[in-house]
Amino acid sequence: DIQLTQSPSSLSASVGDRVTITCRAGRSINTYLNWYQQKPGKAPKLLIYAASSLQSGVPSRFTGSGSVTDFTLTISSLQPEDFATYYCQQSYSSPYTFGQGTKLEIK
Amino acid sequence: QLQLQESGPGLVKPSETLSLTCSVSGDSISSRTYYWGWIRQPPGKGLEWIGNIYYSGTTYYSPSLKSRVTMSHDKSKNDFSLKLTSMTAADTAVYFCARLLCGGDCFLSGPGPLAFFDFWSQGTLVTVSS
Repeated sequence: DIQLTQSPSSLSASVGDRVTITCRAGRSINTYLNWYQQKPGKAPKLLIYAASSLQSGVPSRFTGSGSVTDFTLTISSLQPEDFATYYCQQSYSSPYTFGQGTKLEIK
Repeated sequence: QLQLQESGPGLVKPSETLSLTCSVSGDSISSRTYYWGWIRQPPGKGLEWIGNIYYSGTTYYSPSLKSRVTMSHDKSKNDFSLKLTSMTAADTAVYFCARLLCGGDCFLSGPGPLAFFDFWSQGTLVTVSS
């Protein structure tokens, strides 16, 4: 299985801040990396697919980058609705695996 | 508007079999563009992929659960189902069903590496307890 390690596990930030979350794969996954946002008691929501493609309807303040083993999700200017847990997921090979999550909290 | 809704028991006894169904509206599970999947999340923990099924009946399962998992579908009802046998407390989780957009030719090549879950159900909590 391909292990995905996210850092940090939790993060405190303020509205308007720029935030970066990192996801590192245990081996090369090309650009086959997706990002999801999950709010408490809700289903995950797709933000970014194929490392850098923005899902339709997702605000442009979310950007994804990276390739091979190192990937980042950046939120350019945090909004109140962005406080949530973020997960990366690889689709390079089965079994699909997810990172352990990064909880983004209000400072 | 696409909607996915799970149905099934919220409580299962240890050693019993969990049966969940995901009813799809606003899309057809016979679409050649999508697989349909199950993902679970233990309380307070991360996400775990369980498996995917295609309209043809082709399935992919997580190796860690493969011996206990069966997925099926009913095209006439536009739904798909999950069975997980020999349930234990470790299987207590919120179970999600989701649509998986294929990254290429679903029929010839499977989901492909560009696949992603683009729409999820709200999730249903399944507790394993006697």
